[in-house]
Amino acid sequence: DAGVIQSPRHEVTEMGQEVTLRCKPISGHDYLFWYRQTMMRGLELLIYFNNNVPIDDSGMPEDRFSAKMPNASFSTLKIQPSEPRDSAVYFCASSLSPARDTQYFGPGTRLTVL
Amino acid sequence: GENVEQHPSTLSVQEGDSAVIKCTYSDSASNYFPWYKQELGKRPQLIIDIRSNVGEKKDQRIAVTLNKTAKHFSLHITETQPEDSAVYFCAAQKTSYDKVIFGPGTSLSVIP
Repeated sequence: DAGVIQSPRHEVTEMGQEVTLRCKPISGHDYLFWYRQTMMRGLELLIYFNNNVPIDDSGMPEDRFSAKMPNASFSTLKIQPSEPRDSAVYFCASSLSPARDTQYFGPGTRLTVL
Repeated sequence: GENVEQHPSTLSVQEGDSAVIKCTYSDSASNYFPWYKQELGKRPQLIIDIRSNVGEKKDQRIAVTLNKTAKHFSLHITETQPEDSAVYFCAAQKTSYDKVIFGPGTSLSVIP
């Protein structure tokens, strides 16, 4: 298995632009997580899905952020409009069950908003 | 909700010495405690985990201990090597349907 796949690996954009991050979980995994990592705030859970349904989005910082999972093999995290404070590494992770399996992280997307 | 604290935030040890990282959690219902290692520029990866029905677990040079009464758990790395240098995250979770709550991380540096 190729593991969790994220694209793009790096994204540089200007303030105000829309940014879309993509994730393909490991096949068969029914949980998908989106995290944001910064030096100041560490590793933050933004949202997670179970069987394509959003379960907890309490970590989504504001309405500019949205996430979708249209099917079991694809999810997107969208920021519109983007701001410089959104600059961070965004990780996607998947697991079979949070308590019975490891969360496998993707390589991350490094987002820079100028 | 659950809150996980982690100490120290940074740790430097000489190669060959032991390193200990301590975490506390707030929710007594938590029963799953994984540890993740994140090397510079890489993704977090699970290195060891422990469940509430076990007090200690070892995997080669790594061990984790859990004290449910005190609500704290620790990571022990013996005979440290330069490749152990990384950020280590502890975490806690209640049930299969709850999210994993991560600690703030400990940056470990092993000095050759």
